[in-house]
Amino acid sequence: QQQVKQSPQSLIVQKGGISIINCAYENTAFDYFPWYQQFPGKGPALLIAIRPDVSEKKEGRFTISFNKSAKQFSLHIMDSQPGDSATYFCAASKKTGANNLFFGTGTRLTVIP
Amino acid sequence: GAVVSQHPSRVICKSGTSVKIECRSLDFQATTMFWYRQFPKQSLMLMATSNEGSKATYEQGVEKDKFLINHASLTLSTLTVTSAHPEDSSFYICSASFDPTSGQYFGPGTRLTVT
Repeated sequence: QQQVKQSPQSLIVQKGGISIINCAYENTAFDYFPWYQQFPGKGPALLIAIRPDVSEKKEGRFTISFNKSAKQFSLHIMDSQPGDSATYFCAASKKTGANNLFFGTGTRLTVIP
Repeated sequence: GAVVSQHPSRVICKSGTSVKIECRSLDFQATTMFWYRQFPKQSLMLMATSNEGSKATYEQGVEKDKFLINHASLTLSTLTVTSAHPEDSSFYICSASFDPTSGQYFGPGTRLTVT
């Protein structure tokens, strides 16, 4: 059972455009929502993360929007660049316990020049 | 900060042999380490969670006797794939956490190929 659902599976964006990736979850015990960026043959790198007490977090060109009532969160990449081409994973973890991450299925982003 | 290393980055072994993968947290003490497996173009699948000095907790369907995990210190965890078979070929990634609110920091991964 996929605890975190992610869409789209793949995304092609023109350079300078906005890339938007969406995730949804069901478990209200989740309270930490990170996004990871992964290049081929490399481990995932933490990009940005949010907790439910805020609705938006911005770091440079990357913004997480969080809708607690809808149990949805999304990643927006502004001014997308070819170097942003990678696979992006959303994830969620619970406040207590071993903070296991539940990953989405990933979105392969391609930014074309 | 929060750097995790893995060694080796790539390994090729013959069927029936064992291979050990090391995961180290370089600049922090990892109370918990995690081992994942990733197939091409797929998401990460959690294999097991380990806390320093305790036995690892394995996810359902992961063979404990085949994937031996040792978390000997706060900076080192090892995954040993025993009696490897070609179907064990995969990308193995570890991550580490220094407290439950810190999230996980991932290593660069190890590409295992069993011939």
